[in-house]
Amino acid sequence: RKEVEQDPGPFNVPEGATVAFNCTYSNSASQSFFWYRQDCRKEPKLLMSVYSSGNEDGRFTAQLNRASQYISLLIRDSKLSDSATYLCVVNQAGTALIFGKGTTLSVSS
Amino acid sequence: EAGVTQSPTHLIKTRGQQATLRCSPISGHTSVYWYQQALGLGLQFLLWYDEGEERNRGNFPPRFSGRQFPNYSSELNVNALELEDSALYLCASSPGTTLTDTQYFGPGTRLTVL
Repeated sequence: RKEVEQDPGPFNVPEGATVAFNCTYSNSASQSFFWYRQDCRKEPKLLMSVYSSGNEDGRFTAQLNRASQYISLLIRDSKLSDSATYLCVVNQAGTALIFGKGTTLSVSS
Repeated sequence: EAGVTQSPTHLIKTRGQQATLRCSPISGHTSVYWYQQALGLGLQFLLWYDEGEERNRGNFPPRFSGRQFPNYSSELNVNALELEDSALYLCASSPGTTLTDTQYFGPGTRLTVL
């Protein structure tokens, strides 16, 4: 089983749609969790950290289920500018960030 | 505040040569991380330096090496280049060694091995 698994997509949605991405991780000792966004041929940028209590930042909501080792990202009211690859990232003590391969989102008008 | 910078932007080498990639972290950041992003693969962790010391390395052969200088900048060296080393090499920095610290990425060096 891969350390961090994501559905690669692509997810093709119209503007205004709600879209959800899922991610699972294999190491139960993982301590912190993030969603990064990567535009084509650019560097990844932090979108948001993910907390057990769930957290929201505008149109973006992240959830963590430690028991199921599952992370999700919900994007409401999708914009054209949301088109990118979304990377699920897990941090294990003593190592470094473990990245999923990413889920590609394409928002069309 | 300047972000993470990397040089060169692009690098073209032939098989068997050596490549040197450079990274300057955000001012005040002591930790530097190197990642490889090959086509079709996710970001793979290469090396982590903090305060001049190598803290951890990923599952890469010893011909991938690096160092961190007293000013916290870092160098990644890849010896005996192979075709499959062609990839985007990303450097990231963070304020310290707490792995919950956010990592900020540079724009990357695109290495092409012919």
